[in-house]
Amino acid sequence: NAGVTQTPKFQVLKTGQSMTLQCAQDMNHEYMSWYRQDPGMGLRLIHYSVGAGITDQGEVPNGYNVSRSTTEDFPLRLLSAAPSQTSVYFCASSYDSSPAETQYFGPGTRLLVL
Amino acid sequence: QQPVQSPQAVILREGEDAVINCSSSKALYSVHWYRQKHGEAPVFLMILLKGGEQKGHEKISASFNEKKQQSSLYLTASQLSYSGTYFCGTEITTSGTYKYIFGTGTRLKVLA
Repeated sequence: NAGVTQTPKFQVLKTGQSMTLQCAQDMNHEYMSWYRQDPGMGLRLIHYSVGAGITDQGEVPNGYNVSRSTTEDFPLRLLSAAPSQTSVYFCASSYDSSPAETQYFGPGTRLLVL
Repeated sequence: QQPVQSPQAVILREGEDAVINCSSSKALYSVHWYRQKHGEAPVFLMILLKGGEQKGHEKISASFNEKKQQSSLYLTASQLSYSGTYFCGTEITTSGTYKYIFGTGTRLKVLA
């Protein structure tokens, strides 16, 4: 199993540009989520999904869109990038959303918005 | 909603002990602990499901107090490999669905 994969590993954008961060998992996990990590702020939840076709907002959803058309994929879209979105983005998945389940993380995407 | 961890950072010498605390304003049903090495993704350490229950992993253990909505991570006789950032994680419910959130993080540096 590849586990959770993310692409790209690093991206530089100009303000106003759009892009999609890709996330895929091959563990048949129902629960998937996106976090951003900023110095001193820990990991903050952007969006999450409890299954294909079902998504919901996390703590910091503004400026980001998601969709979940398949169990495997959970892309994160930045519609109009802003410097405040410079961060490291992690995708995570777990078997389901029950309290006992471990979160498995992808390697992360470093995004720089100029 | 984000759990608050303390201290924010700690520096130890090899062999010393440390305690990392995680406090939530919301009721905790479970607490997970993760460790993140610099430039890497967080990795699962342990999970606590019941109030007052302690789980161990080598020289790292944790406790969970449901009433106080707190968890503590105990690192005994620290090793260089313990360096990294530690996060507590927990599930909160919103409109009947669970979502998973993390604490603010504690940076741990172990010196030789």
